[in-house]
Amino acid sequence: DVKVTQSSRYLVKRTGEKVFLECVQDMDHENMFWYRQDPGLGLRLIYFSYDVKMKEKGDIPEGYSVSREKKERFSLILESASTNQTSMYLCASTRQFTNEKLFFGSGTQLSVL
Amino acid sequence: GDSVTQMEGPVTLSEEAFLTINCTYTATGYPSLFWYVQYPGEGLQLLLKATKADDKGSNKGFEATYRKETTSFHLEKGSVQVSDSAVYFCALRTGLIQGAQKLVFGQGTRLTINP
Repeated sequence: DVKVTQSSRYLVKRTGEKVFLECVQDMDHENMFWYRQDPGLGLRLIYFSYDVKMKEKGDIPEGYSVSREKKERFSLILESASTNQTSMYLCASTRQFTNEKLFFGSGTQLSVL
Repeated sequence: GDSVTQMEGPVTLSEEAFLTINCTYTATGYPSLFWYVQYPGEGLQLLLKATKADDKGSNKGFEATYRKETTSFHLEKGSVQVSDSAVYFCALRTGLIQGAQKLVFGQGTRLTINP
């Protein structure tokens, strides 16, 4: 079975801190995604990556950056965390140029105080 | 831009009741449509999909028909179980960007089934 693993289930940070959210997949997928999930808003795409070191902005990239140094790992970075970034963050992966389903991690609930 | 609208939740039903969760979409072109489900404490997983008009997706007793004329993809199940309690997301994909599927999700509908 495909596994998408997010490093932390719960994270509490202070305003202004630099925050790293890590995601690892074990199926050699080219594409990886970061979404945030908020009640009433559903999932919104922050960034995605289609290859090592390659990235594209999603619908809400402001305040975030990403890093993909290895194919299996995709990191989401909050340069200076703010309270409006308190949310559930979901990572997903899939194979490139296919109609295969997205495989999701179980999420990281980030609270910024 | 492309968008998906789901019925407001939460929805609470008794076991064995009939379920409908409405989903309508706005998109250019001919999108593929999906229902994803999120069980408590887990990530999303694909429930069913349809890739062209009049297609019916089905899985685990759930069904949804791609209706182009009404731009809808309503989720139905004839007899729900307690284990169906979850959050359900309708989504569409209009194409690939750099080979990656870009999905647009609805806001999600929380379903609770009481025994």
